[in-house]
Amino acid sequence: KAGVTQTPRYLIKTRGQQVTLSCSPISGHRSVSWYQQTPGQGLQFLFEYFSETQRNKGNFPGRFSGRQFSNSRSEMNVSTLELGDSALYLCASSSPPPQGPSSFNEQFFGPGTRLTVL
Amino acid sequence: GDSVTQMEGPVTLSEEAFLTINCTYTATGYPSLFWYVQYPGEGLQLLLKATKADDKGSNKGFEATYRKETTSFHLEKGSVQVSDSAVYFCALQILTGGGNKLTFGTGTQLKVEL
Repeated sequence: KAGVTQTPRYLIKTRGQQVTLSCSPISGHRSVSWYQQTPGQGLQFLFEYFSETQRNKGNFPGRFSGRQFSNSRSEMNVSTLELGDSALYLCASSSPPPQGPSSFNEQFFGPGTRLTVL
Repeated sequence: GDSVTQMEGPVTLSEEAFLTINCTYTATGYPSLFWYVQYPGEGLQLLLKATKADDKGSNKGFEATYRKETTSFHLEKGSVQVSDSAVYFCALQILTGGGNKLTFGTGTQLKVEL
């Protein structure tokens, strides 16, 4: 089974531009989550999409947005880029959990998109 | 809110040394606990998990026990190898209410030398 894929792997933009990142989940997975990883703030949750609906949202400004398509592929968009948006953006996919008191959603991470804002 | 605190790195060990990376958490609900590992240039991989108190997660020689009384989930390995060099993240997830939000610690870089 193919893993989570993210495109592009590397991206260089300038301040004020906008950017769109793409994530293709593992086949059959309906949940896609996005995380931002920076040396200063570590790994921070951006948002999660499940069946084309945003199910969870982190504490990021409205410049960060996302969407999910009917095939579960997801995109995130950052408008009006700032220098501080330079980061590794990771997406993770998971399938609905099995039922039971110890059920949990294992999340499978992609390799990330390295965004550099100049 | 929920948070995870783990020891600062980098941690540098000689091969075959014993490893402990401390992790403590605060959570508003009953969390599941995880350790993820990130190798250079790669995404995160789930290393081990524990979903309830006193559970022990284990994988590839690594172990961690869910201690509710001390709100801790320390990672241990009896004998590290050079190939274990990576960044290790402790994380929690609250399952009730749905959603897949993981809250991560800041990560601990491990360097293992010959």
